[in-house]
Amino acid sequence: DAGVIQSPRHEVTEMGQEVTLRCKPISGHDYLFWYRQTMMRGLELLIYFNNNVPIDDSGMPEDRFSAKMPNASFSTLKIQPSEPRDSAVYFCASSPGRGYEQYFGPGTRLTVT
Amino acid sequence: QKEVEQNSGPLSVPEGAIASLNCTYSDRGSQSFFWYRQYSGKSPELIMFIYSNGDKEDGRFTAQLNKASQYVSLLIRDSQPSDSATYLCAVNIGDNDMRFGAGTRLTVKP
Repeated sequence: DAGVIQSPRHEVTEMGQEVTLRCKPISGHDYLFWYRQTMMRGLELLIYFNNNVPIDDSGMPEDRFSAKMPNASFSTLKIQPSEPRDSAVYFCASSPGRGYEQYFGPGTRLTVT
Repeated sequence: QKEVEQNSGPLSVPEGAIASLNCTYSDRGSQSFFWYRQYSGKSPELIMFIYSNGDKEDGRFTAQLNKASQYVSLLIRDSQPSDSATYLCAVNIGDNDMRFGAGTRLTVKP
């Protein structure tokens, strides 16, 4: 398997623009997670899905953030409008089941100027 | 108290020594425990997971779990410079929520 795939790998945008991050989980994994990592706050869970359904979005920082999973092989994380404080590395991870290990994608490094 | 706590380091050991990384967690109901390695600029990579009290060995790595003390550790034997990275402890909390520690930065000196 190719592992978790994320795109783009790097994104530089101006404040106020819309940003869309994409993720393809490992085939057969029922759970998909979105994380954000910064030096100050470490690795934070934003939202996770089970069988394409959002289960817990309590980590989403504010209404500017939204996530969707239209099918088992694709998910998006959207930030609209983006702000400089959103600059971070965003990881997508997938897991084969509840409480099981998670496998991370390569991440998207987002810079908002 | 943070849900998952680790010493941030840096932890420095000479090549060939045993590196010991420690982690404590707050939720007594946690059942799944994981160690990830993260090289600078890369994504976290799963090293080991452990569910039961005691030791679990995989090559040069040994994970140790003590649920009564809410403590999980990772031992790296015969440490190599290539082991230099940040090690993240992760614990499943609640239904399926994984919490990560801040990570311990390990440096193995040749």
